Amino acid sequence: GNSVTQMEGPVTLSEEAFLTINCTYTATGYPSLFWYVQYPGEGLQLLLKATKADDKGSNKGFEATYRKETTSFHLEKGSVQVSDSAVYFCALSDRNFGNEKLTFGTGTRLTIIP
Amino acid sequence: KAGVTQTPRYLIKTRGQQVTLSCSPISGHRSVSWYQQTPGQGLQFLFEYFSETQRNKGNFPGRFSGRQFSNSRSEMNVSTLELGDSALYLCASNVGTGGYNEQFFGPGTRLTVL
Repeated sequence: GNSVTQMEGPVTLSEEAFLTINCTYTATGYPSLFWYVQYPGEGLQLLLKATKADDKGSNKGFEATYRKETTSFHLEKGSVQVSDSAVYFCALSDRNFGNEKLTFGTGTRLTIIP
Repeated sequence: KAGVTQTPRYLIKTRGQQVTLSCSPISGHRSVSWYQQTPGQGLQFLFEYFSETQRNKGNFPGRFSGRQFSNSRSEMNVSTLELGDSALYLCASNVGTGGYNEQFFGPGTRLTVL
């Protein structure tokens, strides 16, 4: 079955530091890949996505590239801010009609200190 | 455009009781999925409904059930509550026609079982 392995947290960084959160996946076929973010007391928000190999998703300064050869989708940001403190989830889904299920990683809690 | 809404936001029940949670998807979305989020197990897929039919099901016992109405609103029910059912229950909606699979999440219902 499908699975997502995500970098263990928590991660604590100083403001303006470089961020990488690793994510690798196992899937049959060609899944779509996502990063979701969860702020305290809220549901999940889609941060970025990539639907095919070599696609780069980007949003709010975050980027991730769909690497089929290494089955990875690592999240990066060049300069983090205090407001980026949240829990980040890597996820995948099959790209088939009739299967809207998302498979999530365990989540990485990120704390940015001023 | 209104987002996904879930009611109630918080719920406290005792063991053995049953509970019903409600989810209203984004207008025009026909697919509603439910997820359970716990610190120990992370985010786990419960089931997905599309056009009033259950289309996918996760690995949860039969005490967990759901339904979808003609207006795409969905409810999930948990009978004979156990302490381990304490969790954040998230609902997500999408168009439901596959391929892209972007899910939009509600804020969740926090269920506490005493």
